[in-house]
Amino acid sequence: DTAVSQTPKYLVTQMGNDKSIKCEQNLGHDTMYWYKQDSKKFLKIMFSYNNKELIINETVPNRFSPKSPDKAHLNLHINSLELGDSAVYFCASSPLLGGEQYFGPGTRLTVT
Amino acid sequence: QQQVKQSPQSLIVQKGGISIINCAYENTAFDYFPWYQQFPGKGPALLIAIRPDVSEKKEGRFTISFNKSAKQFSLHIMDSQPGDSATYFCAALSGAGSYQLTFGKGTKLSVIP
Repeated sequence: DTAVSQTPKYLVTQMGNDKSIKCEQNLGHDTMYWYKQDSKKFLKIMFSYNNKELIINETVPNRFSPKSPDKAHLNLHINSLELGDSAVYFCASSPLLGGEQYFGPGTRLTVT
Repeated sequence: QQQVKQSPQSLIVQKGGISIINCAYENTAFDYFPWYQQFPGKGPALLIAIRPDVSEKKEGRFTISFNKSAKQFSLHIMDSQPGDSATYFCAALSGAGSYQLTFGKGTKLSVIP
């Protein structure tokens, strides 16, 4: 069983569209995260979500919004997609805030 | 401002050799230092981690050395194998504050036969 899963694996869309990426973890963890990995492989935290508390990296545009229907899911919704949003997005989870993080396989988003 | 500086950017090592990747940090509030391994097309996977109360941690062929006064830590891979070829990221986290991992820029390791 996959511990942290993401769908879709690949997402190609046009500028201006709205899209969502789904993430699910079956580890029973309390905290989930979204990361962005750019073309140079640099990994940057976007959000962390713990017990309904959202911590946002201040550099993330407000076009990005995480939505958590329950503790096992943290989806990423992106409005008005821009070319610069093209990247690989990783979901991760940890048993507690600041604990060991387990990453999903990533979603490669391409905005044309 | 990059809070975790990682070097080298790329590294080529002969099979059986020692791979060494270095990281330096600025924030003295960091108290957890993990290393992640990422293969192409996969998510990062936790390899080994250390807290500042110890100077070294070893797990199999992988060792973290930690120098608190110099604010530096390094990953040593002994007896490097072609299967170790991947991108390695150091990271740091503060237990007080945002609890968010700050990553280095990564080192692409190639182990040649």
